[in-house]
Amino acid sequence: GAVVSQHPSRVICKSGTSVKIECRSLDFQATTMFWYRQFPKQSLMLMATSNEGSKATYEQGVEKDKFLINHASLTLSTLTVTSAHPEDSSFYICSATIAGARSSYNEQFFGPGTRLTVL
Amino acid sequence: GENVEQHPSTLSVQEGDSAVIKCTYSDSASNYFPWYKQELGKRPQLIIDIRSNVGEKKDQRIAVTLNKTAKHFSLHITETQPEDSAVYFCAASTLYSSASKIIFGSGTRLSIRP
Repeated sequence: GAVVSQHPSRVICKSGTSVKIECRSLDFQATTMFWYRQFPKQSLMLMATSNEGSKATYEQGVEKDKFLINHASLTLSTLTVTSAHPEDSSFYICSATIAGARSSYNEQFFGPGTRLTVL
Repeated sequence: GENVEQHPSTLSVQEGDSAVIKCTYSDSASNYFPWYKQELGKRPQLIIDIRSNVGEKKDQRIAVTLNKTAKHFSLHITETQPEDSAVYFCAASTLYSSASKIIFGSGTRLSIRP
């Protein structure tokens, strides 16, 4: 199956700093990538939809100036948490879809997640 | 927008018994319903999915049913085993484009008692 990687897997930072998380599709080109946030014992909440070469579409309640998304190529999307605070501590997961014959179900392939801890 | 509700939030069953998780969705345009299993600290894994043109689908010990009229769908796990213990999420989406969002249910924590 299609493989999606995330880097880093874990990050601990001080309050007020910015953190960048990378999401890469390793063996396919991802026309669309999605970013989710998951707090402990809760569900995955969609933050934004990222399309290569265009601005991301953010879900209601997600601050676009705080969570900067850049989808610069068909294999890479980045999420930058700017001026992180303790309440931003969460598990951030990306996923990617591929168009065309390989994905007749528009299945989303998930990355392994990044655990962010803001002190 | 789409809203997916999932019940129960926790479920404990004896090993070998069956487990059933139920979900409802609100958007009649949704036509793709995947189910995910997530172990602690790991990514969600797709375990089975169903399209709206099918009422039931089975894969070994796992089956899903869909009632489009009532906007209900369910996951059935038979002959449960300890390795089935995890959090399960239902979800709803559409097949129209690769940009279609997946909306997740709130999750069910399944525990299998030995």
